[in-house]
Amino acid sequence: RKEVEQDPGPFNVPEGATVAFNCTYSNSASQSFFWYRQDCRKEPKLLMSVYSSGNEDGRFTAQLNRASQYISLLIRDSKLSDSATYLCVVNKAGANNLFFGTGTRLTVIP
Amino acid sequence: EAGVTQFPSHSVIEKGQTVTLRCDPISGHDNLYWYRRVMGKEIKFLLHFVKESKQDESGMPNNRFLAERTGGTYSTLKVQPAELEDSGVYFCASSANRASGNTIYFGEGSWLTVV
Repeated sequence: RKEVEQDPGPFNVPEGATVAFNCTYSNSASQSFFWYRQDCRKEPKLLMSVYSSGNEDGRFTAQLNRASQYISLLIRDSKLSDSATYLCVVNKAGANNLFFGTGTRLTVIP
Repeated sequence: EAGVTQFPSHSVIEKGQTVTLRCDPISGHDNLYWYRRVMGKEIKFLLHFVKESKQDESGMPNNRFLAERTGGTYSTLKVQPAELEDSGVYFCASSANRASGNTIYFGEGSWLTVV
């Protein structure tokens, strides 16, 4: 079973739409959670960390449900520049390496 | 400040040949990681250096892969002999010491095609 499962999409949404991505992780010992963004043929870049209480950064809101081992990312008022692949990433307690989902591809359409 | 840099950005080699990928981490970062993404799969961890020492090499697929970080600065990842299934993107990443924050920064990757 994969460490991190994500819906690969693609998600095609119009500008201004709200879109939500979900992922699940298999290891209950996972300690830290992140959403990374990856543009085509570029490196993954940290978008935001995900905290148990949920956190928001502008138009982006991340939620974590430890009981269900479920992480979400909500993007409000989508912009063309939000088009990218969004990677759900976790790491385990005591480990420094990251486990990636396959990514969810988002295209925002004018 | 320069980010994580990798060389070459693209490489096409024949099966059985050797390729060496190089990574220069962000200056001052003790932690250096290698990750790999093969087509259709997720990015997977290969190994982790702390300075010049291998902290965790549990993700290395087999003994055809050799990573080094002499002097604790740049790192190389050698594939010898290369096989078709080694094709993919090899990402290097680095982070500072855990006590001072451990955001992991990635390089743009070395795209390897084995034909």
